[in-house]
Amino acid sequence: EIVMTQSPATLSVSPGERATLSCRASQSVNSNLAWYQQKPGQAPTLLMYGVATRATGIPARFSGSGSGTESTLTISSLQSEDFAVYYCQQYDSWPLTFGGGTQVEIK
Amino acid sequence: QVQLQESGPGLVKPSETLSLTCTVSGGSITDYYWSWIRQPPGKGLEWIGYIYYSGSTKYNPSLKSRVTISLDTSKKQLSLKLTSVTAADTAVYYCARDEAGQLHYWGQGTLVTVS
Repeated sequence: EIVMTQSPATLSVSPGERATLSCRASQSVNSNLAWYQQKPGQAPTLLMYGVATRATGIPARFSGSGSGTESTLTISSLQSEDFAVYYCQQYDSWPLTFGGGTQVEIK
Repeated sequence: QVQLQESGPGLVKPSETLSLTCTVSGGSITDYYWSWIRQPPGKGLEWIGYIYYSGSTKYNPSLKSRVTISLDTSKKQLSLKLTSVTAADTAVYYCARDEAGQLHYWGQGTLVTVS
């Protein structure tokens, strides 16, 4: 199975600042990569798929980039509602696998 | 607006079978894959498996020997059965609509404790 590794585990950011989250795959996932946001007590919600396509209703401050084994999620200017845990997930091969998550916390 | 709702016992005894149902509303159950995912308390996400509306299934090899996913299209429900549970199976269990591996819609999740 493809192992997904996220870094950092925790990211402390001030509101209005930029946040950059990284995701590495143990082998190429091509562009078959998604990002999810999870707030406490809630289910994950899809943010991005195909590395860089925003899901329905996701604001433009979220952007994705990368290819092969490396992907990045960037939040250009953090809003209060963006403090959450973020997971990357590959869907290039079965089983679907997720990274361990990055918690974005208020600095 | 597609909505998914998981239901089932919140407490299961060790060695018994965990059984959950996910009811889909606001959209078709056909033409899609439907996945189950779980999340142990305070930990990350693990994909359990999917079922296609045709009935074909695929499971995570780590759970394959213990998992069965089924679909009742007339009731718009999918089901999960996990046998021989242990404390390690304690988790929030989610169902989700699976579009080529992208999980666009999720249920709210249901906590199952094995004790």
